Amino acid sequence: GDSVTQKQGQVTLSEDDFLFINCTYSTTTYPTLLWYVQYPGQGPQLLLKVTTANNKGISRGFEATYDKGTTSFHLQKASVQESDSAVYFCALVDPQVVGQLTFGSGTRLQVYA
Amino acid sequence: DTTVKQNPRYKLARVGKPVNLICSQTMNHDTMYWYQKKPNQAPKLLLFYYDKILNREADTFEKFQSSRPNNSFCSLYIGSAGLEYSAMYLCASSRDPDWGYEQYFGPGTRLTVL
Repeated sequence: GDSVTQKQGQVTLSEDDFLFINCTYSTTTYPTLLWYVQYPGQGPQLLLKVTTANNKGISRGFEATYDKGTTSFHLQKASVQESDSAVYFCALVDPQVVGQLTFGSGTRLQVYA
Repeated sequence: DTTVKQNPRYKLARVGKPVNLICSQTMNHDTMYWYQKKPNQAPKLLLFYYDKILNREADTFEKFQSSRPNNSFCSLYIGSAGLEYSAMYLCASSRDPDWGYEQYFGPGTRLTVL
């Protein structure tokens, strides 16, 4: 079955640092890849998505590139702010399995001012 | 309004007792989902409704029930809670299953079973 792996459980940065969150996936199809963000006290919300038609997604200063060769979808941001502190989930949608998201375990980002 | 609401936010239950969690959305979404989230684990899909059709995951089929009396409301029912049910339960909705990548989540209900 499909799977998503996020090896970093937590990332701690200072403001203006560069952010890199690792995500790899495993599937037999060409899925849509997504990043969701969950702020404290809220549910996850969609941050960005990338399909096979467009290999890069950009939103709110975050970007992720769909790399079919390495089956990776890492999340990056050039300069983080304290307000970016949240849990980030990588996820995929298998086009053959309607309506289902497969999530990674999440990476908690803590940014200090 | 893209709000999904969940009640209660915190629930304490005794082993062997039933638990009923409620979710509502006002976006007229056709599809509603329930996930279970444990610490350091990925959210796990338990079931979802597309309109009035319930789809349950094979490995949780017997553990969770659900009802959707109308388009806006969906419940998650546990007939007899066990310690392993302690988790955060997230409800979500989407326009329809083909838009399943864009799910709107509620804040979750934290269930503690003692």
